[in-house]
Amino acid sequence: GAGVSQSPSNKVTEKGKDVELRCDPISGHTALYWYRQSLGQGLEFLIYFQGNSAPDKSGLPSDRFSAERTGGSVSTLTIQRTQQEDSAVYLCASRISGGRNEQFFGPGTRLTVL
Amino acid sequence: GNSVTQMEGPVTLSEEAFLTINCTYTATGYPSLFWYVQYPGEGLQLLLKATKADDKGSNKGFEATYRKETTSFHLEKGSVQVSDSAVYFCALSPDDKIIFGKGTRLHILP
Repeated sequence: GAGVSQSPSNKVTEKGKDVELRCDPISGHTALYWYRQSLGQGLEFLIYFQGNSAPDKSGLPSDRFSAERTGGSVSTLTIQRTQQEDSAVYLCASRISGGRNEQFFGPGTRLTVL
Repeated sequence: GNSVTQMEGPVTLSEEAFLTINCTYTATGYPSLFWYVQYPGEGLQLLLKATKADDKGSNKGFEATYRKETTSFHLEKGSVQVSDSAVYFCALSPDDKIIFGKGTRLHILP
């Protein structure tokens, strides 16, 4: 497909478990972003990857959150020891490098922590 | 620093009414400006953008003009439809990072 894909689309987990969320960006997009959107809220920036540069992790809410991007393509967001307040929709976006270019968003992963 | 402020919602209008959603920004340099829309149950998608001062972005009857003198990028539509009900996000991009506003929920009543 030509768009950003994310998996799983829905994830239900128990408090204290670890989860991994996957993002496949559009081929050739060097920049990749993760956001969190809680119910009725705006977009909360989590982390940003640009090419081979060190990621901007300034938005990660705690050290339970981490992300990696392998080979400049697929990215995985990992949440360890999940808490109920982690329940949200996690969005991934990619774009061609450059401030003029739009971001393309994936459909998101809805995470529910019981 | 860079930031975006947009009017809080929800905004409720009747069909065919005129719409304005205010957005102002603070930024260093010359950022590009965007409006994204999130329809119910769907992902975010670009609505329109402007990359330099005085540019007007337009799409689906929506318009926004990049006003550097007032640091604004207000979204307007002359006659809204029920199908325009969605959440609208203003955003700026001074570089590779994009900064989003908190979003404005729009309800259009038939």
